[in-house]
Parts: sequence; structure tokens; C-alpha cells
Amino acid sequence: GQQVMQIPQYQHVQEGEDFTTYCNSSTTLSNIQWYKQRPGGHPVFLIQLVKSGEVKKQKRLTFQFGEAKKNSSLHITATQTTDVGTYFCAGQRSSASKIIFGSGTRLSIRP
Amino acid sequence: DSGVTQTPKHLITATGQRVTLRCSPRSGDLSVYWYQQSLDQGLQFLIQYYNGEERAKGNILERFSAQQFPDLHSELNLSSLELGDSALYFCASSVEPGQGLEKLFFGSGTQLSVL
Repeated sequence: GQQVMQIPQYQHVQEGEDFTTYCNSSTTLSNIQWYKQRPGGHPVFLIQLVKSGEVKKQKRLTFQFGEAKKNSSLHITATQTTDVGTYFCAGQRSSASKIIFGSGTRLSIRP
Repeated sequence: DSGVTQTPKHLITATGQRVTLRCSPRSGDLSVYWYQQSLDQGLQFLIQYYNGEERAKGNILERFSAQQFPDLHSELNLSSLELGDSALYFCASSVEPGQGLEKLFFGSGTQLSVL
């Protein structure tokens, strides 16, 4: 069945350093979404990417969707303590299919 | 506040028991999803309902069942509980699947502890 893999599982960085998490799907996706889950909280939608090669930015966060629509990345520039949490990608094979989440990358930050 | 309400927030029960988790989606959202999150694990898709009908099924155990009622709230029933069923169960809702802009709004979850 459809699988969405995410690496790394954990990332511990110094405040101010950059952070990147990568997501790979076993199948071509119609779209990919990114969510953030703060410790003790619930996942919160960040963004959705639909087009091949799409790049979107939200302040210090940059999201990319691969040309083949099978991989994606989230890059955070100059991390801050408020960035702490687990970042999940979530993919759909078609716009009507189930949304499958990656295993997540837990980001922790040294002040 | 996402607008998705889940009750109860915490549930402690014993092995072999049956529990019901409840979810009220955001006003206007027709689709409800259930996910299971075990300790330090990802979100495992269980099942999706759209306007009362089952839309998609994940790796949901036969001991688990769900339904969506005419008022669009949903219940997840877990029976013959085992220790390994202890997890955080999330409900999420979206406006309408299949439109290519499916954005999930998650509830705060129900923390189930099976002792």
C-alpha cells in the first residue's frame, strides 16, 4: 500500500541553525501537506503543495514539492525556540483518496 | 481552537473492555477522519467518513468500528481492548474531500490508557 517515509526521525539543533526534514512517497502524489504538532498538542495544518516543482514560503519556512511529485521537503531558516515540535508531511495519491501521514520529524532546539 | 471537539479527553480502562470515543467536526465540515498516535509514533490512519458514509479505510482492527451520524458527529468504538491499544486517538475534519484542497482540522485528541 501507499507509504510515506520521513527523515530524520529526530533533529536537535542550536537556536539559529537551519533545519530540514524530507518526505518520500512510494507512489506519485496528487498533493502533499505539512503539519506541525507542538509537544502535548494536536497537528496543525501549515501548507499544501499541489504542482510539480512547487516552492512555497511562509516567513522562515520553505516548502518544496519534487518534480516527480514523490518527495517533499520543509526547510526552516534560523530556528527559534517556537519552532519546537514534530513536523509531519501527509500525502494523497488522488484528491479523493485517504491522507497518509509520514512518521514525522521531531525538532528540539538548544537555546 | 480548531473547532473540532473530541470527548472524553482522557480515558482509563481495563483490558477486555469496550469504549466509545466521540468527535464533533467543525461546523460545515462533512468529512471526519480518525487517526491513532502511539507514544512517539506517527499518525496511523484508521478510517474516514463523508456525510455519513464510509469513504476510506486504513489499518483499522476488526475490534474497532466507527460511524458518522446524520448530525455529522462521529464515534469510534474500540472493543476487547488490549494493552497495545493505549494511544492518543485524533479526530480530524475537512470541508469536502475530492476537491484537491483537503485541509485537516484536528481535535485535541482522546488519550486512551488500557491497564
